Amino acid sequence: KAGVTQTPRYLIKTRGQQVTLSCSPISGHRSVSWYQQTPGQGLQFLFEYFSETQRNKGNFPGRFSGRQFSNSRSEMNVSTLELGDSALYLCASSVVSGRAPNYNEQFFGPGTRLTVL
Amino acid sequence: KNQVEQSPQSLIILEGKNCTLQCNYTVSPFSNLRWYKQDTGRGPVSLTIMTFSENTKSNGRYTATLDADTKQSSLHITASQLSDSASYICVVRVLAGGGADGLTFGKGTHLIIQP
Repeated sequence: KAGVTQTPRYLIKTRGQQVTLSCSPISGHRSVSWYQQTPGQGLQFLFEYFSETQRNKGNFPGRFSGRQFSNSRSEMNVSTLELGDSALYLCASSVVSGRAPNYNEQFFGPGTRLTVL
Repeated sequence: KNQVEQSPQSLIILEGKNCTLQCNYTVSPFSNLRWYKQDTGRGPVSLTIMTFSENTKSNGRYTATLDADTKQSSLHITASQLSDSASYICVVRVLAGGGADGLTFGKGTHLIIQP
């Protein structure tokens, strides 16, 4: 079974631009979560989508947005890029099990390395 | 506020030696704790998951322990190999819902194995 894929793997943008990152979950996984990872802060939760609906949202400004399509693929968008947005953006997918939701394992993609100049 | 603290921040050991990484948490109510391994340039991969009633769980040369009373966990690596060089992240889940917002991540321990 193919793992979580993210595109592109690397991206260089300048301040003020916008960017769209893509994530394809493991087949059969309906939940997709996005995280920002920086050396100083570790992984920080951005948002989670399930069945095309945003289920949860972290503490990030409105410049960060996302969506999920009917095939569970997800995109996240960052508008008006700032230098501080430089980070590794990780996507994770999971099977949402009603029987034991607290034990759902998150399977991470390789990430998209975004550099803002 | 739910928090996960990991120590040390970084660690360098010689190949073949053992090491122990620490994780202290204040997450409540507690559901489970996972250790992830993240190789450079890749996403984290789950090593173990431990629930309230589990004290020890092994995955090959990796052994995780959990003391739910003191809210501490450790990850012990035996006979380290060069491929163990990675960041190790402790993640604790609260007992609610199962959504991704219920996860609290530590900042990780960066482990370097030297030949």
